[in-house]
Amino acid sequence: TQLLEQSPQFLSIQEGENLTVYCNSSSVFSSLQWYRQEPGEGPVLLVTVVTGGEVKKLKRLTFQFGDARKDSSLHITAAQPGDTGLYLCAGPNTGNQFYFGTGTSLTVIP
Amino acid sequence: KAGVTQTPRYLIKTRGQQVTLSCSPISGHRSVSWYQQTPGQGLQFLFEYFSETQRNKGNFPGRFSGRQFSNSRSEMNVSTLELGDSALYLCASTSGGTRTYNEQFFGPGTRLTVL
Repeated sequence: TQLLEQSPQFLSIQEGENLTVYCNSSSVFSSLQWYRQEPGEGPVLLVTVVTGGEVKKLKRLTFQFGDARKDSSLHITAAQPGDTGLYLCAGPNTGNQFYFGTGTSLTVIP
Repeated sequence: KAGVTQTPRYLIKTRGQQVTLSCSPISGHRSVSWYQQTPGQGLQFLFEYFSETQRNKGNFPGRFSGRQFSNSRSEMNVSTLELGDSALYLCASTSGGTRTYNEQFFGPGTRLTVL
């Protein structure tokens, strides 16, 4: 059983469309992180959300942390081919141990 | 500042063999975590080393072990390899504090194939 469930698992959209990826858990997390991983590379941290209800923007990417700190979402506006990759959410346990979500594989078609 | 390096990048072994993977963290970082990534299970935490001591351990069998040297470089070892050990093994480096939102810097991974 995965502690963090992401949906959808796969997403294929046309360039210019908007999309939202969800990360849900039945557990409360003190923070959640979002990563993007490209083929042949390790994940790269995009953002950390810490406060319930927090919204953070990174250019065309908007991240939200749920009020109860059990869920998060990533919204991409006007997707571009460079956004293609595997999007992962992660929540901390103790120390530097992180639980990772099941992942959302995004393909943006030019 | 150089990033996290992992060697080798690719490895092919046969069942029953053992393998050692290496990770060099970012200079000044004292914490190294190891993860296994497979299509079916996703990214799963193996263990974390901080100042040469194992600080956290995931739910993997004892065939998976690791160590950290005084220069913070880390190795992980898998003995008696099984087909299911085929995976991308990722190493992550952090500065080592216990804040809940440390930034992890990942290496490119070692792709292990067990035949």
